[in-house]
Amino acid sequence: DTGVSQDPRHKITKRGQNVTFRCDPISEHNRLYWYRQTLGQGPEFLTYFQNEAQLEKSRLLSDRFSAERPKGSFSTLEIQRTEQGDSAMYLCASSSGLVWAFFGQGTRLTVV
Amino acid sequence: GDSVTQMEGPVTLSEEACLTINCTYTATGYPSLFWYVQYPGEGLQLLLKATKADDKGSNKGFEATYRKETTSFHLEKGSVQVSDSAVYFCALSDLNTGNQFYFGTGTSLTVIP
Repeated sequence: DTGVSQDPRHKITKRGQNVTFRCDPISEHNRLYWYRQTLGQGPEFLTYFQNEAQLEKSRLLSDRFSAERPKGSFSTLEIQRTEQGDSAMYLCASSSGLVWAFFGQGTRLTVV
Repeated sequence: GDSVTQMEGPVTLSEEACLTINCTYTATGYPSLFWYVQYPGEGLQLLLKATKADDKGSNKGFEATYRKETTSFHLEKGSVQVSDSAVYFCALSDLNTGNQFYFGTGTSLTVIP
């Protein structure tokens, strides 16, 4: 297993377009997290899945954001009608408990 | 709520100098504490962890001790190398307050030859 994989690594999109990111966690991990990181800041929690159930969502996750984990394996994060303020690094992490989490390399989104 | 406060950077050191990055936390329960490292353009890598008071986490010459009395988890290294240049994040997780990890704002370290 090569760890947590995210695709794409980079995405440039025009304001108002929709984008979708994918995360493939470590295969035996039942917990999956999405975080957002802006320049010079630490990661901010967006949402959390245990298996296929989305159990927690941050207030940062506006109605334009939606995340799914349909079969309890990979997850997608969609942003609709992107805004310039959505430009950030989107990080996915997985774990088998709250002991520690393994992070992917992230998807850097630039909205122009 | 739970939170982590890190010393602000950036920090610039000469090779072989001693490093200390301060981290304090606020938590209602008994959190686990972590240090993650982020190299340019990369995701976060777990550097070390401690799951209960007085535990010492260590890895690659870095150490941090979980101090409940001072609610601290300072990162230390006796002799830094150029390859240690990165951003370091202190983090906590607390089963009592939710299912997420809380991160500090990060401390950028540059080590010059």
